[in-house]
Amino acid sequence: GEDVEQSLFLSVREGDSSVINCTYTDSSSTYLYWYKQEPGAGLQLLTYIFSNMDMKQDQRLTVLLNKKDKHLSLRIADTQTGDSAIYFCAERNTGGFKTIFGAGTRLFVKA
Amino acid sequence: NAGVTQTPKFRVLKTGQSMTLLCAQDMNHEYMYWYRQDPGMGLRLIHYSVGEGTTAKGEVPDGYNVSRLKKQNFLLGLESAAPSQTSVYFCASSYRQEQFFGPGTRLTVL
Repeated sequence: GEDVEQSLFLSVREGDSSVINCTYTDSSSTYLYWYKQEPGAGLQLLTYIFSNMDMKQDQRLTVLLNKKDKHLSLRIADTQTGDSAIYFCAERNTGGFKTIFGAGTRLFVKA
Repeated sequence: NAGVTQTPKFRVLKTGQSMTLLCAQDMNHEYMYWYRQDPGMGLRLIHYSVGEGTTAKGEVPDGYNVSRLKKQNFLLGLESAAPSQTSVYFCASSYRQEQFFGPGTRLTVL
């Protein structure tokens, strides 16, 4: 069945780059998402990429998609303490109502 | 715009009690969703709605019911709460490929 996997924890120093990785199984996935969840809050959409793209950059965020390996990554440049949160990878098919979420990667940023 | 709002924010129930969680959105979105979030797991879809008056089952619908009598509201009901329903519940609405989430309701069933 469909599955999205992420590592559970990542720790970086302030100012370094963070790279959060995700793998998915559904080859027909059309939309791939990154969400951010801060403590006690809902999920906030950070960015998404269409499956016909290899890369998307949005300010400090860079998303890379390797369709062959079904691998998605989120790079945060110049990571700040405010970036400490849980980051969820998710995928969805065109016309589908079901979004499959990974378990989330908790990012710790050390000052 | 308030976006997606949820009430209540917190609730403690005893086993067997019932309750309704309310979700409201002011973005005129057709699609609305209820998810639950459990530790170490991603969000799992409970029920969803593609428009006023319609609902459908998601991945984990057992023990829950929903209603969408008005386009802006999506209600999630627990008829007889069980400890396994202790979770954080998120409502979302969507437009095209973007989902917008509410702040969540933390429910504890004793």
